[in-house]
Amino acid sequence: KAGVTQTPRYLIKTRGQQVTLSCSPISGHRSVSWYQQTPGQGLQFLFEYFSETQRNKGNFPGRFSGRQFSNSRSEMNVSTLELGDSALYLCASSWSAGSGNTIYFGEGSWLTVV
Amino acid sequence: SQQGEEDPQALSIQEGENATMNCSYKTSINNLQWYRQNSGRGLVHLILIRSNEREKHSGRLRVTLDTSKKSSSLLITASRAADTASYFCATDAGDNAGNMLTFGGGTRLMVKP
Repeated sequence: KAGVTQTPRYLIKTRGQQVTLSCSPISGHRSVSWYQQTPGQGLQFLFEYFSETQRNKGNFPGRFSGRQFSNSRSEMNVSTLELGDSALYLCASSWSAGSGNTIYFGEGSWLTVV
Repeated sequence: SQQGEEDPQALSIQEGENATMNCSYKTSINNLQWYRQNSGRGLVHLILIRSNEREKHSGRLRVTLDTSKKSSSLLITASRAADTASYFCATDAGDNAGNMLTFGGGTRLMVKP
């Protein structure tokens, strides 16, 4: 069965622009979460969605937003991009939102802001 | 912010040797998961250990969890060059935390052929 699929894999944006990243979870998985990975801050939780509802949100500014569709696919959006937003953005999915589920990650989307 | 630290930050061994990585965390947890990340790639799930478990095995991997010390270790036996990667532990704090994982800083493992 296909894993977590993220698109695009690589993208370059200019400061001030906005970007939308897409994630398709493993078939049957209803929980999708997003993480940002940078050399300085490591892996940090952005937000989690389950059944189209945001369940948890990390400590990121309001420029970072997301949503989940009825088919469990998710998108995250970053508006007014800053240089510091350059990072690997990872999407993860699991069967449910409860604790103790194995969480599977995609290959990530590399965002470079210039 | 990160839950804790991993130790060592970097480890270099010869093929065939064992590699041990340690992870410490700060708050009570429900579960702890270990992941591997090859350079520039996504995270690959290795093993999940629940707070009421002390040890778990999967192939060449052995994970221990000591909740009294708030620490876990990952042992890779008979390492191979293909094990070269970064290894991360991640914790979740409970049902309300859902799939909100808190990661350690990772251990970079290099296995020399």
